[in-house]
Amino acid sequence: GENVEQHPSTLSVQEGDSAVIKCTYSDSASNYFPWYKQELGKGPQLIIDIRSNVGEKKDQRIAVTLNKTAKHFSLHITETQPEDSAVYFCAAIRREAGTALIFGKGTTLSVSS
Amino acid sequence: NAGVTQTPKFRILKIGQSMTLQCAQDMNHNYMYWYRQDPGMGLKLIYYSVGAGITDKGEVPNGYNVSRSTTEDFPLRLELAAPSQTSVYFCASRLTSGGNNEQFFGPGTRLTVL
Repeated sequence: GENVEQHPSTLSVQEGDSAVIKCTYSDSASNYFPWYKQELGKGPQLIIDIRSNVGEKKDQRIAVTLNKTAKHFSLHITETQPEDSAVYFCAAIRREAGTALIFGKGTTLSVSS
Repeated sequence: NAGVTQTPKFRILKIGQSMTLQCAQDMNHNYMYWYRQDPGMGLKLIYYSVGAGITDKGEVPNGYNVSRSTTEDFPLRLELAAPSQTSVYFCASRLTSGGNNEQFFGPGTRLTVL
């Protein structure tokens, strides 16, 4: 089955810097890769996603890149702000199990002002 | 739309007690999921349902049961609570038509078993 590895587990940056979180997956047939942001005491919320037929996708300060050959994808946050502080999860779709998601272990991002 | 709602928000159980975690969605989504989240870990799939009357086991189903009698509701049942079931539980749903894969999550239920 699919396996998703996520690095780093913690990331501290200064306000205005960029942050990069990387994930690798094992199933070459996986075709959908979302990124979720989880704030303290809340459920995960989708911030950006990418399909396997696209190499990069941007939404304002957030971008995701996908390298299908290497089976890895990354989240890029530019001009970080204190409100970006949260736990970020990458995920991939399980082809079995009703296309549920399999998650990485998460990255705790801290943005200091 | 209220989205995905979960009750209760918090609960403390004694070992051996039972309870039902409620989940409802008002988006007419056909697929629904239960995940658990342990500290420092990603979410793990407990059970899922692809429509009313259809459920199946996920990655960590032991000690849990589910039912899906309506499109809207997907309750999770713990029959004999154990300390290993201390976790935060999230329900999620998605619509499978139109090629949209986004899953919407509820706010979670924090369960402690003592």
